[in-house]
Amino acid sequence: GESVGLHLPTLSVQEGDNSIINCAYSNSASDYFIWYKQESGKGPQFIIDIRSNMDKRQGQRVTVLLNKTVKHLSLQIAATQPGDSAVYFCAESGDYKLSFGAGTTVTVRA
Amino acid sequence: DGGITQSPKYLFRKEGQNVTLSCEQNLNHDAMYWYRQDPGQGLRLIYYSQIVNDFQKGDIAEGYSVSREKKESFPLTVTSAQKNPTAFYLCASSISRNQPQHFGDGTRLSIL
Repeated sequence: GESVGLHLPTLSVQEGDNSIINCAYSNSASDYFIWYKQESGKGPQFIIDIRSNMDKRQGQRVTVLLNKTVKHLSLQIAATQPGDSAVYFCAESGDYKLSFGAGTTVTVRA
Repeated sequence: DGGITQSPKYLFRKEGQNVTLSCEQNLNHDAMYWYRQDPGQGLRLIYYSQIVNDFQKGDIAEGYSVSREKKESFPLTVTSAQKNPTAFYLCASSISRNQPQHFGDGTRLSIL
């Protein structure tokens, strides 16, 4: 069946360093991938998405990489800031339904 | 501002009671979704609707019901048949498939 998972449940990063959050997926039919950030008590906030016809996509301070060969997705955050502390979710879809991983909690150390 | 509004923010349910969670969007999105989030876990899909007057079950639809009479509104009813309703409920909408889903700030449901 479908499953989306993150390699590590927690990540501690020094302020100013780059962060890399990893995600593995198992559904070869998925053609759309998305990263969300969720702060405590709030709904997930869209960060960046990528379609299966791309390998890389960049946004403001963020980059998403997609490796379809090994079914791996990653989110890179440049110059991590205290405001980046949150839970990060990857999700994948082949239709209307998004399947979410369990999330990675990122803590930024001052 | 365009967005998704969920209400109430906190809700308490008595045993045997049905409760309805509200979700309204003014983004003119066709598709709407309901998810359940348990502590330390990802989101699980309850129901989704691609268009007005149509909806489909998600992965955990048992004990829940929805309606989609208007494009802007997608209320979720947690029925007494849902034996473990305590969770954080999130509503989302999107323009169409494979487009970002935009989320509300959730309703936290607890049992009295």
